[in-house]
Amino acid sequence: GIQVEQSPPDLILQEGANSTLRCNFSDSVNNLQWFHQNPWGQLINLFYIPSGTKQNGRLSATTVATERYSLLYISSSQTTDSGVYFCAVSSAGGTSYGKLTFGQGTILTVHP
Amino acid sequence: DVKVTQSSRYLVKRTGEKVFLECVQDMDHENMFWYRQDPGLGLRLIYFSYDVKMKEKGDIPEGYSVSREKKERFSLILESASTNQTSMYLCASSPPDLLIFEKLFFGSGTQLSVL
Repeated sequence: GIQVEQSPPDLILQEGANSTLRCNFSDSVNNLQWFHQNPWGQLINLFYIPSGTKQNGRLSATTVATERYSLLYISSSQTTDSGVYFCAVSSAGGTSYGKLTFGQGTILTVHP
Repeated sequence: DVKVTQSSRYLVKRTGEKVFLECVQDMDHENMFWYRQDPGLGLRLIYFSYDVKMKEKGDIPEGYSVSREKKERFSLILESASTNQTSMYLCASSPPDLLIFEKLFFGSGTQLSVL
């Protein structure tokens, strides 16, 4: 099946710093989503971005499908950004039923 | 607002017990999923269902079964719980595959401890 690798595994920032999280995938995808899991375990969808660029406030994401990677940018980080960020994809071709394969996640800690 | 509800936040069970984890969604979604989350491994798909009474194995179905008798409810069953099934279990739902707006919505998770 498709492989998903995220980097870095851990990231520690001071409030106000910017960061870039990366997601590499091994095959063509028809679905790519970024999620944030807060310290209480709730997973929230940040972006649905199989290709192109999107922005939502301080967060933006870019997926270069031809080169099989996606980037999540966090600007002016805040302590509430802490948590785990997951990239998840589904392989192009066939019917995926929305079935997603997740990377191992990036643990982000933002200190005040 | 979108809502996926898991019946328990924390569960403690004994080895060998039969365990039921319940998930209900109120969005009329066709697709429902059960994942487990373990440190360093991300989320791994156990089972999913794309319609009532339909089910498909995910990547790690061994030791689990599922039931979907109604569209809004998807149950995960541990027939005989074992200690290696101690984990965070996450339920999710999504619209049908062919919709452009294809997002996955998660419940808040059930932390299961098997002693």
